Amino acid sequence: DAGVTQSPTHLIKTRGQHVTLRCSPISGHKSVSWYQQVLGQGPQFIFQYYEKEERGRGNFPDRFSARQFPNYSSELNVNALLLGDSALYLCASSLVGVDRGRRDGYEQYFGPGTRLTVT
Amino acid sequence: KNQVEQSPQSLIILEGKNCTLQCNYTVSPFSNLRWYKQDTGRGPVSLTIMTFSENTKSNGRYTATLDADTKQSSLHITASQLSDSASYICVVNQAGTALIFGKGTTLSVSS
Repeated sequence: DAGVTQSPTHLIKTRGQHVTLRCSPISGHKSVSWYQQVLGQGPQFIFQYYEKEERGRGNFPDRFSARQFPNYSSELNVNALLLGDSALYLCASSLVGVDRGRRDGYEQYFGPGTRLTVT
Repeated sequence: KNQVEQSPQSLIILEGKNCTLQCNYTVSPFSNLRWYKQDTGRGPVSLTIMTFSENTKSNGRYTATLDADTKQSSLHITASQLSDSASYICVVNQAGTALIFGKGTTLSVSS
């Protein structure tokens, strides 16, 4: 069974440009979360989607947006790129959202990430 | 402020030795605590998940402990191997919301 897949693997963009990152969750998983990981730091939560609805949003500007499709795959869009957006963007899938209240939560499985470099 | 602090920031040990990584958190309300292993340039891989009522959980040579009263956790690695070289990230699930990640401890195992 395939794990979480992300595309592209690497991406180089120029300041001011727009970028779209894609994620396909594990088959049967209905929740996708996006994280930004700057070099030397832990991942920072950006968005969580469950059943095509936004279920959580981190402290990121409106330049960041996302959506989830009927097949549960997801896109992360970033407009007006800044140098500080350079990071590893991670996608994680789970059966349901981590905010569903189960004390043991549902395991999140991370994809390999997309390395975005903004010049 | 909800935070997850890890120590040490980095650690170098010889192959075959044991080590312990620390995690302190101030996240509330607490749902569960997770330890992840992240190889350079790769996505994190889950090692353990512990709820409020669990004190210890093992996964092979990895043993995690949790003291919910003092809000501390540790990850003990036994008989380290070269393949254990990675970043180890402590993550706290804030109940009703998302995961809050620590900055990680970078472990280097040398022969």
